[in-house]
Amino acid sequence: SSELTQDPAVSVALGQTVRITCQGDSLRTYFPGWYQQKPGQAPVLVIHGNNIRPSGIPARFSGSSSGDTASLTITGAQAEDEADYYCNSRDNSANRGFVFGTGTKVTVL
Amino acid sequence: EVQLVQSGGEVKKPGESLKISCKGSGYTFTRYWIGWVRQKPGQGLEWMGIIFPDDSETRYSPPLQGQVTISTDKSIKTAYLEWRSLKASDSGMYYCARQGSLEEGMDVWGQGTTVIVSS
Repeated sequence: SSELTQDPAVSVALGQTVRITCQGDSLRTYFPGWYQQKPGQAPVLVIHGNNIRPSGIPARFSGSSSGDTASLTITGAQAEDEADYYCNSRDNSANRGFVFGTGTKVTVL
Repeated sequence: EVQLVQSGGEVKKPGESLKISCKGSGYTFTRYWIGWVRQKPGQGLEWMGIIFPDDSETRYSPPLQGQVTISTDKSIKTAYLEWRSLKASDSGMYYCARQGSLEEGMDVWGQGTTVIVSS
C-alpha cells in the first residue's frame, strides 16, 4: 500500500503562517484530505479535494498540491490551531482504499 | 443534526469476539460511505476500511484484511466493526466517519469507542 510522510512537528509564532507538508506517490493522482485532531477529541476535516473547506472551517486554512507533495497552510495561526494534523489520500495500490499520513504536531508559540 | 453515535467502550480478553457499532442519523444513511479509523494510544490515525451501506461494497486496509469485518444494517442505519478473536494489539480508540464519495473527505465523525484487550 501507499505511504504518506509528514514532518513530525512544526512550530509557528502566533499570527504567522505555517505550512504542513505530506509526501507520497498517491498524491500525484489524488487530492488529500487534511484533518485536525486536538487531544481527546475526534479528528475534524479542515480541507479536502482541490482546496475545499467544509462549512465552519476558517478561511485561514488552505490546501495545495504539486507533484507528490501536498500542503496545508495556516495563514495567521491562532492559539486554537495547536493540534495534530493528518493528511489522508486514496491508495494507489490494488486495494483501492485509503491511507493516513504520519501526522504533524503543530505548536503555536 | 447529522450525527454518528458509536457504542460504548469495551474491555475484553484476548481471544474474545467483539462487535462495535456506529449509528447514523440526520442524513440518508445509504448514500454515504462509512469508514473506520483506529488510533492506538499515543499514535497516529490508521485507516482500517470503508463500506457503502447501499450495496455493502467494502474495502479494507491490506494489513487488516481478514482480521476485522466491516458490515452494515441499513434498516437501522448502523455500521459495525467486528473481531472474531481479539489480540492485545487491537487495543485503541476506534472512530467511524462519514464520507460522501471516495473523492471527498470524512466530514462527520463519531465520538469514538475505546477498546481495551487485556488478560
